[in-house]
Amino acid sequence: DAKTTQPPSMDCAEGRAANLPCNHSTISGNEYVYWYRQIHSQGPQYIIHGLKNNETNEMASLIITEDRKSSTLILPHATLRDTAVYYCIVRATGANSKLTFGKGITLSVRP
Amino acid sequence: EAGVTQFPSHSVIEKGQTVTLRCDPISGHDNLYWYRRVMGKEIKFLLHFVKESKQDESGMPNNRFLAERTGGTYSTLKVQPAELEDSGVYFCASSPDVQVSYEQYFGPGTRLTVT
Repeated sequence: DAKTTQPPSMDCAEGRAANLPCNHSTISGNEYVYWYRQIHSQGPQYIIHGLKNNETNEMASLIITEDRKSSTLILPHATLRDTAVYYCIVRATGANSKLTFGKGITLSVRP
Repeated sequence: EAGVTQFPSHSVIEKGQTVTLRCDPISGHDNLYWYRRVMGKEIKFLLHFVKESKQDESGMPNNRFLAERTGGTYSTLKVQPAELEDSGVYFCASSPDVQVSYEQYFGPGTRLTVT
């Protein structure tokens, strides 16, 4: 079972920042937080991952709380193409381990 | 660089028939995974190959499902005989050596409909 909980849905205006929360209160010390997204009819797409430090790449930023029990994915300037289901996944160290998907959060970006 | 490809994109078969899904990972990726999403449920892990060996097959639902990866390149997932509850989208993913990348690259999926 997934070790994360996410709200079922949220929306934001195009051009604004989208902040997607995730709770993972039972995360272990050797587990990473991963974010993937699935745009309609496509396969899941990797976004970002982190252990305890905040991370940023060309797609998004990941903010992890100091106690590591929650995190926030930030899309700094959401576009209509960012409308998708976003999955927060806790994954054990050992990069070849499986991904355990939950229900995810549906982000709707409105014009 | 070509991504993960899956064939066919759609398959409609009758209950009791056999279907074989194919996945071609990104060239050079040793790790290959199968996942599936059945109607209304989350995406679930099925199994993981490292080269031609099954590393983890804990998610395979029953012995009607057979996965192979001969030669450590492409993989096939055979369902025989298919049941109604096998309908869903089957995803394949691949990743390179663990020291290189933590990302799994997914294919577009095969939509299987069993009638």
